[in-house]
Amino acid sequence: QQPVQSPQAVILREGEDAVINCSSSKALYSVHWYRQKHGEAPVFLMILLKGGEQKGHEKISASFNEKKQQSSLYLTASQLSYSGTYFCASGGYKYIFGTGTRLKVLA
Amino acid sequence: DAGVIQSPRHEVTEMGQEVTLRCKPISGHNSLFWYRQTMMRGLELLIYFNNNVPIDDSGMPEDRFSAKMPNASFSTLKIQPSEPRDSAVYFCASSPKSDRDAYGYTFGSGTRLTVV
Repeated sequence: QQPVQSPQAVILREGEDAVINCSSSKALYSVHWYRQKHGEAPVFLMILLKGGEQKGHEKISASFNEKKQQSSLYLTASQLSYSGTYFCASGGYKYIFGTGTRLKVLA
Repeated sequence: DAGVIQSPRHEVTEMGQEVTLRCKPISGHNSLFWYRQTMMRGLELLIYFNNNVPIDDSGMPEDRFSAKMPNASFSTLKIQPSEPRDSAVYFCASSPKSDRDAYGYTFGSGTRLTVV
C-alpha cells in the first residue's frame, strides 16, 4: 500500500527548516528517502532503519513516530539545491514509493 | 562506475508498435527494479528481479508488458502492442541486495516514452 506524504507542497526561504511526513496504515519496517529534481531520476538521500538508526545525509535527518506508522524527514537550514520532489519509500524486499512532496526553496 | 544505464532516453512510437526499453545495472548489484512514473499515479513498481530471476511482477499492468533479465548486466522491458496510456517515464533501478539498507536504490536516467 502506497505511503501518503504531507504536505503535498511547501515553499520556504533559504535557511528555513522543513518537515515532510510519510504515513502508512501499517508499521514501517524501514524508510528510504529520495529527492527528485525536475526531469531527473530520484536520488537516494538516506535511510531510517527500524531501530531508529540513520544512514545518509549530513543536514537531513528522519525519525519514526511512536507506532512507527509515520516517518518524518527534517531539512535544516535549507539551501536552494534542496528544491525538488521528496519521496519516502518503504517495504520489505521491495520498496513502494510515497505520494511525494514538492519543495521549493526561494532565495 | 557509470551508474545505471538506460536506453533510449526518449522514445516516440505509434500506437500498436512494439517498444523495448533497456537497462544495464551497476556491476555487482543483484537486485533490479523497473518503475513507471506518471503525474497521476506517481512512481509505480512494475517488476523486481533478484539474481536475474523475476521475484515479483504483480505491478506489471497487463499481458502487453513483459520483462526479462538474461544476465546480471542486462534487462529489458517490452510493451507489445503499445497504447497511448503507456506514455510515461520508465526508470530502471538497481541495488546491492546484501547492503540495500545502506545504499538504497540507484536509478537510471529513465526513458521517456510517448505513444501517439
